[in-house]
Amino acid sequence: EIVMTQSPATLSMSPGERATLSCRASQSVNNKFAWYQQKPGQAPRVLIYDTSIRATGIPARFSGSGSGTEFTLTISSLQSEDFAVYYCQHYTHWPVTFGGGTKVEIK
Amino acid sequence: EVQLVESGGGLVQPGGSLRLSCAASGFTFTNYWIHWVRQAPGKGLEWVSRVNTDGTSTSYADSVKGRFTISKDNAKNTVHLQMNGLRAEDTAVYYCARVRDFGGNSDFDYWGQGTQVTVSS
Repeated sequence: EIVMTQSPATLSMSPGERATLSCRASQSVNNKFAWYQQKPGQAPRVLIYDTSIRATGIPARFSGSGSGTEFTLTISSLQSEDFAVYYCQHYTHWPVTFGGGTKVEIK
Repeated sequence: EVQLVESGGGLVQPGGSLRLSCAASGFTFTNYWIHWVRQAPGKGLEWVSRVNTDGTSTSYADSVKGRFTISKDNAKNTVHLQMNGLRAEDTAVYYCARVRDFGGNSDFDYWGQGTQVTVSS
C-alpha cells in the first residue's frame, strides 16, 4: 500500500496570500494523483486530477504540479471560500489511498 | 445532472449489520466504477471498497475484507454495501463516489452527500 504524507498539517494564512500544500508518496504514482477540497459538513470535491488538470469549474488560482513521489497544490491568492481541508490521493493501483489532509485556516 | 444519493446508515450495535445504498442518476450508470469512501469523526478519508462497471470485479480495504460486500445493480442504478460484523471503528460517514474514467483507474469526480454509520452499544 502506498502511503501518502501531507505537509503541513495546518497552514495559517491570510486572504490574498499564496498557499503551497505538499504531498509525498511512499513510491512513484506516475501522474495518477488528485487533490480534493472538503468543507465542514460537505463531501469532498475534486480540484485537480492527473497531477495538474483542473476539474470542471475550478478557478484558475488552483494549480497542481509534481511527478513521481512529490506533488504540490498551489492556491495563488487565497479567497475566503478556500479555507478548508485539502486531501491528496493516488489512484495508480489498488488500494487507492489518501493523505491525512492539510487544513488551511484563517490567520 | 449527475447525482449520487446514499441511504441506509444508522445506529447499530457491535457485531450487527447494515446495508448501505447508493442511488445514481444523471449518467450512464453501466459505464462507471463506483467506490465507497469513509470518514471517521474528525479524521481523514479512507477508501473502503470499489466495484467495476458490471459488478464482476470488486476490491476491499484490509480493514473491511471478509466483513463488507459491495454489489452493483445496473438495472436499478444502485450500488450496495453490505456491512456485517460491525465494529466501533467502522463508525464514520460513508460516501459513494464515481470514478471519472471508464477504465476505472482515475480520480473520483462525483460524490454523494454521505450517510452516517454509528456502531455503539
